[in-house]
Amino acid sequence: GAGVSQSPSNKVTEKGKDVELRCDPISGHTALYWYRQSLGQGLEFLIYFQGNSAPDKSGLPSDRFSAERTGGSVSTLTIQRTQQEDSAVYLCASSFGTSYGYTFGSGTRLTVV
Amino acid sequence: GQQLNQSPQSMFIQEGEDVSMNCTSSSIFNTWLWYKQDPGEGPVLLIALYKAGELTSNGRLTAQFGITRKDSFLNISASIPSDVGIYFCAGRSNTGNQFYFGTGTSLTVIP
Repeated sequence: GAGVSQSPSNKVTEKGKDVELRCDPISGHTALYWYRQSLGQGLEFLIYFQGNSAPDKSGLPSDRFSAERTGGSVSTLTIQRTQQEDSAVYLCASSFGTSYGYTFGSGTRLTVV
Repeated sequence: GQQLNQSPQSMFIQEGEDVSMNCTSSSIFNTWLWYKQDPGEGPVLLIALYKAGELTSNGRLTAQFGITRKDSFLNISASIPSDVGIYFCAGRSNTGNQFYFGTGTSLTVIP
């Protein structure tokens, strides 16, 4: 596609429920990143995928968070048993490789009530 | 994870004034990026820097890759209302797989 597409744009969920956030990167971009942005804060790295290599999961805050990337394209970030502190904007970005600047999607605003 | 120190945290300026902000790191980086984020949107890449000492312009924006490779600067000349937003720096080392982001500078331009 022309840009990085994320869905849903907004998600309100009850505490304890699982949520799935989707990212469709720019066609041909081999690298895909997930970041979290809490209100008024900077960007917190979560996970990174590059081609067929094992993902770098070093930024995932707990084992309730997981992500996968199918066929080297679309990625899904899953948060299990959501907590109120998970409320944030989740941003996905893609790039041609690790040396290049990222193109970000518009994000998914997650609110846990 | 590593975080970059970005300053100032926020700025309130009159339309037409020039703006300066900077970003510092404890590590040496070989690439610096500057992004702008509008409300409700993802960050958009403004300028990329790949060499120490490099000075690059994009319209009224000018960014510099610090000689020490541990800092970068962004200047905006003759600010206009649409410059309002949050500006983020990001840096990457030779051995890293990801960019680390600064905490952001929130810019408000008063007409």
